[in-house]
Amino acid sequence: NAGVTQTPKFRVLKTGQSMTLLCAQDMNHEYMYWYRQDPGMGLRLIHYSVGEGTTAKGEVPDGYNVSRLKKQNFLLGLESAAPSQTSVYFCASRGQASGNTIYFGEGSWLTVV
Amino acid sequence: QQQVKQSPQSLIVQKGGIPIINCAYENTAFDYFPWYQQFPGKGPALLIAIRPDVSEKKEGRFTISFNKSAKQFSLHIMDSQPGDSATYFCAASSRGSGYSTLTFGKGTMLLVSP
Repeated sequence: NAGVTQTPKFRVLKTGQSMTLLCAQDMNHEYMYWYRQDPGMGLRLIHYSVGEGTTAKGEVPDGYNVSRLKKQNFLLGLESAAPSQTSVYFCASRGQASGNTIYFGEGSWLTVV
Repeated sequence: QQQVKQSPQSLIVQKGGIPIINCAYENTAFDYFPWYQQFPGKGPALLIAIRPDVSEKKEGRFTISFNKSAKQFSLHIMDSQPGDSATYFCAASSRGSGYSTLTFGKGTMLLVSP
């Protein structure tokens, strides 16, 4: 059982380039999330989705876009990467049947130079 | 506005000690308080959680103490071991939001020395 899988795990981007982070979950969860983790800042919610075809803004949405075309996938896009977006990105999911437990992926390390 | 304040930022204890990590919240609508544990290079994982209808919850060596009137909750690790060295995050959520999102504290890096 893979759980929450993120790709890629590591990526270096030049300022202004675009990229997409892919998150896939095999637990049939309704909710999916993208967080970023920075030293001393904890986990900050970027965007989230409460179901297929829906998305909502979190605490730090600027510079990011998301899509949830399929229930099992949640994509995070950076249209024009900036050095301030250098971070570790975590995808997570939660299912109504699993209570309030949020399951995290192992992270994607992104460096923007 | 930081809705969940966590302290300390870092903590070093000797093996067998009892590290205590504290969190305070502002939103009285919060009614679910989990702790997540994160090892280096890994994603956070749920450790233990509490609801405000109880003042304490124990799971193995981990205990949450909850003070509703003070809007504070804390994590105690009994007989700490080097394998407990990790970053710990407190968090909070509310029924009003459908528990759809968690608000996290900034984390505490714990080092348990042998």
